[in-house]
Amino acid sequence: EPEVTQTPSHQVTQMGQEVILRCVPISNHLYFYWYRQILGQKVEFLVSFYNNEISEKSEIFDDQFSVERPDGSNFTLKIRSTKLEDSAMYFCASGTSRNNEQFFGPGTRLTVL
Amino acid sequence: AQKITQTQPGMFVQEKEAVTLDCTYDTSDPSYGLFWYKQPSSGEMIFLIYQGSYDQQNATEGRYSLNFQKARKSANLVISASQLGDSAMYFCAMREGVRGGSEKLVFGKGTKLTVNP
Repeated sequence: EPEVTQTPSHQVTQMGQEVILRCVPISNHLYFYWYRQILGQKVEFLVSFYNNEISEKSEIFDDQFSVERPDGSNFTLKIRSTKLEDSAMYFCASGTSRNNEQFFGPGTRLTVL
Repeated sequence: AQKITQTQPGMFVQEKEAVTLDCTYDTSDPSYGLFWYKQPSSGEMIFLIYQGSYDQQNATEGRYSLNFQKARKSANLVISASQLGDSAMYFCAMREGVRGGSEKLVFGKGTKLTVNP
């Protein structure tokens, strides 16, 4: 069964460093998303991406964040200068249409020291 | 106001019994979708079931069913014949404005279900 994959599973970085989180959505999906979950808290929406552009973003998704689909398979989230409060589990998700269910990847746990 | 409220931080159920996980939502949009996801201790988010606001019947997927009461704005998840592998966090989520509205899912805080042998 096709699934969303994410790499790495765990990333440790120093405050102020740039990180890139990678995702490979399900191959026939057209809608892509990033969410994050701070430890012990609820899952929060960051950004949605369709047709090579951001379709919606939350107030969390400030200028430090960017997303890209550099080729036909990868979908990346870049954090330019990480802060301690960026420590969280980051989930990538994809869907076939904007109204259908979103399938989540296993997540990348980001730890900022 | 919270868009999604899950009032049960933790629930316990005996193996093979049924359990209901509560979810209430708040929206003024007539068109919305409701989702349940399961998050085992390994951390991944697994889609379980979906209910559209205009769906006439309650959604069912195997042992999962959604008790959708529109007037009460509730979308409770019912798991029948609980199994040990059902032990996990369960999140209710909503997407508003299905027709031309937001794509984002808004999640509740979750309910931790423990299935006892």
